[in-house]
Amino acid sequence: AQSVTQLGSHVSVSEGALVLLRCNYSSSVPPYLFWYVQYPNQGLQLLLKYTSAATLVKGINGFEAEFKKSETSFHLTKPSAHMSDAAEYFCAVRRNTGGFKTIFGAGTRLFVKA
Amino acid sequence: DAGITQSPRYKITETGRQVTLMCHQTWSHSYMFWYRQDLGHGLRLIYYSAAADITDKGEVPDGYVVSRSKTENFPLTLESATRSQTSVYFCASSESVKGAFASYEQYFGPGTRLTVT
Repeated sequence: AQSVTQLGSHVSVSEGALVLLRCNYSSSVPPYLFWYVQYPNQGLQLLLKYTSAATLVKGINGFEAEFKKSETSFHLTKPSAHMSDAAEYFCAVRRNTGGFKTIFGAGTRLFVKA
Repeated sequence: DAGITQSPRYKITETGRQVTLMCHQTWSHSYMFWYRQDLGHGLRLIYYSAAADITDKGEVPDGYVVSRSKTENFPLTLESATRSQTSVYFCASSESVKGAFASYEQYFGPGTRLTVT
């Protein structure tokens, strides 16, 4: 069975500091992996996705994530936080052998301090 | 405008009442989904649909009913609302694209905040 664990329900960084949001997954087959962002009172929108084409994935707004099979991780990073990055971030996993079901992590709320 | 919309955005209802949440998408995506979002639980799948007239249960289907007579619409009905169904509900859609790099990412609506008193 697939699952996703996001380490830390809340992360706080200063503006300009590195953002690191952690995600570990379990999947019996190679997965598709996603990071979504949710701004207040909005739906989720896709930040980036891993589909086995490249292990380092670049997304929107300067975010990137690296797929590490040996660590079963897909951590999200951004070199320099901006106030506008304050939001909730969800890691998600989906099997790449067919089917539809996507499993979402519990989410990590990012706070950015001025 | 193209996209995925949900209505109403906010709804307050009483215990025992029936309420229907609407979802409409303009992309002709095959798959549609209903999730609920609760603090500490992330998103949990209620029901999904692979195509018109094809629906199936997700993780937490009890107390909910769905239908999909048209590709673009996927209403969610709470037959007899309970306080435990107070939540934010998200509709999402996804393409059915075959190929090595098909990722089936989901596109989400803005959500409906439902309060059951």
